[in-house]
Amino acid sequence: NAGVTQTPKFRILKIGQSMTLQCTQDMNHNYMYWYRQDPGMGLKLIYYSVGAGITDKGEVPNGYNVSRSTTEDFPLRLELAAPSQTSVYFCASSLRTYEQFFGPGTRLTVL
Amino acid sequence: AQSVSQHNHHVILSEAASLELGCNYSYGGTVNLFWYVQYPGQHLQLLLKYFSGDPLVKGIKGFEAEFIKSKFSFNLRKPSVQWSDTAEYFCAVKTYDTDKLIFGTGTRLQVFP
Repeated sequence: NAGVTQTPKFRILKIGQSMTLQCTQDMNHNYMYWYRQDPGMGLKLIYYSVGAGITDKGEVPNGYNVSRSTTEDFPLRLELAAPSQTSVYFCASSLRTYEQFFGPGTRLTVL
Repeated sequence: AQSVSQHNHHVILSEAASLELGCNYSYGGTVNLFWYVQYPGQHLQLLLKYFSGDPLVKGIKGFEAEFIKSKFSFNLRKPSVQWSDTAEYFCAVKTYDTDKLIFGTGTRLQVFP
């Protein structure tokens, strides 16, 4: 099993550009999550999904969108990138609400 | 709103020293508790977890944590740290009324040989 995979690993965006961060898991987990990690701030939940077709907002959803059309994939969309979205983004998955397994992260810089 | 506090932001130790990292949460009901570790440049990995039963839980790499319900605490301990324990450590709590984990702000541990 590859576990949770994320692409790209690194990305630099200009203000106003858009992009999609990809997340895929092969563990047949029904729950998936997107977090952002900023220095000294821990992890903040952006969006999560409890199954295909179901998504819900976390603590910091503004400026982001998600979709969950399949069990495996949970892409995160940034429509109009802003410098405040410079961060490291982690995707995670879990079976119901047990232990979460994390992907390797995407480091995004918005200039 | 529920919150998780990790009061030690940065801990510096020499090898073989003992470690205790604090974690306190604010929620009066049933909780699941987790400690995650993030080695430099890597993703988060689970160190240990508590769901129920014996409040002293043992995890990987010699770490353990004790759940003290009366103190709303889940402190992480290791009797003798190694240089390879240098990492950031996150405490996380899941309450029974939510599908989400709430993370603390993390403790950065540096171990010097």
